[in-house]
Amino acid sequence: DVVMTQSPDSLAVSLGERATINCKSSQNVLYSSNNKNCLAWFQQKPGQPPKQLIFWASTRESGVPDRFSGSGSGTDFTLTISSLQAEDVAVYYCQQYCTTPYTFGQGTKVEI
Amino acid sequence: EVQLVESGGGLVQPGESVKLSCAASGFPFRDVAMHWVRQASGKGLEWVGRVRSKGNNYATEYGASVKGRFTISRDDSKNTAYLQMNSLRTEDTAVYYCIRHSFSLGWHCDLWGRGTLVTVSS
Repeated sequence: DVVMTQSPDSLAVSLGERATINCKSSQNVLYSSNNKNCLAWFQQKPGQPPKQLIFWASTRESGVPDRFSGSGSGTDFTLTISSLQAEDVAVYYCQQYCTTPYTFGQGTKVEI
Repeated sequence: EVQLVESGGGLVQPGESVKLSCAASGFPFRDVAMHWVRQASGKGLEWVGRVRSKGNNYATEYGASVKGRFTISRDDSKNTAYLQMNSLRTEDTAVYYCIRHSFSLGWHCDLWGRGTLVTVSS
């Protein structure tokens, strides 16, 4: 199985400052059909299902604010919130969807 | 409206069975794979398994912790996916989400239901 490891487990960022979350996969997560990385980022707020923010490592889901961006390739990926807003307080997960089981990172809790 | 709605959760005793349903609407259900993911209270996300589309022979795969006990199926005529859970254990207590996925349609676990809670306890 592909193991996804996020860092840090939690972080506190001031309003308007940058938040950076890292995700490392134990294997390359490259989808051979299009040469893209099958890596997604999700945001989960209390009592809600996860919401997809990013797929193919860097493609923003429709409606997601542009302060959220994804980067990386191979085994190392990053989610960046360029200017943290109060509504961004949540737990963030990375996920690889190249091969089953579609494994998730352990989550990173972002606080103000 | 494009949505997934899970149902069937509740309180069950260890060793018993329960069957969850996931009703889909607003998109071509028959063309996507349907996944189940669970989340224990205060914990992270765990992939349970998936059933692929008819074009992929309705193939199923499962996570190690549920293999042999859980079965995923679908009824395309009803736009519904199912999760049959047998020999339940206390550690299966979680909110269960269904999710769609299709490489060809560009949907990569983008749509989740609100989940249904299964509590396994005596």
